Amino acid sequence: SQTIHQWPATLVQPVGSPLSLECTVEGTSNPNLYWYRQAAGRGLQLLFYSVGIGQISSEVPQNLSASRPQDRQFILSSKKLLLSDSGFYLCAWNRDRYEKLFFGSGTQLSVL
Amino acid sequence: TQLLEQSPQFLSIQEGENLTVYCNSSSVFSSLQWYRQEPGEGPVLLVTVVTGGEVKKLKRLTFQFGDARKDSSLHITAAQPGDTGLYLCAGRLMEYGNKLVFGAGTILRVKS
Repeated sequence: SQTIHQWPATLVQPVGSPLSLECTVEGTSNPNLYWYRQAAGRGLQLLFYSVGIGQISSEVPQNLSASRPQDRQFILSSKKLLLSDSGFYLCAWNRDRYEKLFFGSGTQLSVL
Repeated sequence: TQLLEQSPQFLSIQEGENLTVYCNSSSVFSSLQWYRQEPGEGPVLLVTVVTGGEVKKLKRLTFQFGDARKDSSLHITAAQPGDTGLYLCAGRLMEYGNKLVFGAGTILRVKS
């Protein structure tokens, strides 16, 4: 069966510090991978998606970047965090872009 | 501006009561999904509806897709404390290249 792992579960970082969130999927190959951010009282906002190794599409301009160094690994990064980067970050995958999404358990990021 | 509106934003009811949550857009959905999310976890898919007028049942949950495929509803009969959570609708909007868009969600609290 397929599983998705996301870590860390919670993170408190000072403004201006770097960020690296990691997501890995097991039990499938060549998944589509996604990074979403969920702010309180708002829906999920798609940040990045990837259909293959090294292929990254950005949905919104921002202070964040994503990378896919391996088939089942998706990393969300920032060189310098802003206060506005605080939020709940979710990684997700699916086999076909129009299929349902399987989400990780999320990372609650607080930038202070 | 939200492409997809959910209402109500928050609902607090007693165990055993019925409730309905709504999801609306001015654009046509090619498909629509309902997810349930618990605190500190990622959303989990409940159902996908595709055909206008479609009704799907999942135990005490009834999902309806509008005839014009611009709206959907989730009805819960005899709510239980275990139904507590955030209910998200997510639709693929034909006008936006079938991009998946999430609503802001309805927070449901069922008191025993």
